[in-house]
Amino acid sequence: DAGITQSPRYKITETGRQVTLMCHQTWSHSYMFWYRQDLGHGLRLIYYSAAADITDKGEVPDGYVVSRSKTENFPLTLESATRSQTSVYFCASSEWDRRNNEQFFGPGTRLTVL
Amino acid sequence: DQQVKQNSPSLSVQEGRISILNCDYTNSMFDYFLWYKKYPAEGPTFLISISSIKDKNEDGRFTVFLNKSAKHLSLHIVPSQPGDSAVYFCAASKNYGQNFVFGPGTRLSVLP
Repeated sequence: DAGITQSPRYKITETGRQVTLMCHQTWSHSYMFWYRQDLGHGLRLIYYSAAADITDKGEVPDGYVVSRSKTENFPLTLESATRSQTSVYFCASSEWDRRNNEQFFGPGTRLTVL
Repeated sequence: DQQVKQNSPSLSVQEGRISILNCDYTNSMFDYFLWYKKYPAEGPTFLISISSIKDKNEDGRFTVFLNKSAKHLSLHIVPSQPGDSAVYFCAASKNYGQNFVFGPGTRLSVLP
């Protein structure tokens, strides 16, 4: 399918477990992002990547790890999940352009940490 | 402290009337702004953008106004339609960059 996909769409896990959320885009966009959405906070940037093998921290990176070995994939790993990481996670991609900085979002992954 | 604020958590408007959604920011270095719309169980979708060199941008029923001196922008939807009912996020970046700061969102309900 063309576009940006996330898997799984729903995940329930326990405190202390490792969880990996997957993100895949078919546009060959340079930039990819991970956000979390929580009530009262809107979307907060966790990590982003400007190209394969280039990643950088966003606003709330603690407890998360990312990698980008291929342009089209940008997995997000919670190494030891905590209850405060219960959230909806959105992946996004974009192609840098000074005239248009639109980011295209995936459908989200709802993660519950018990 | 939130750098991008949307002080109205919710807004209800009658179909056919104007919807005005507001956004305030604190960082004077922000120079590019986007509005996104989000339906339940879906990712946000891009609506309209404006750069700091402009004070207005239009796209069909949607117009965004930017007041740099007041650090304020607003999204006008005219006329409002029931399908516009969604959560609207304002987002801002510095140096036309990709690192956007999002506001908490405003839930718009357009009543038939």
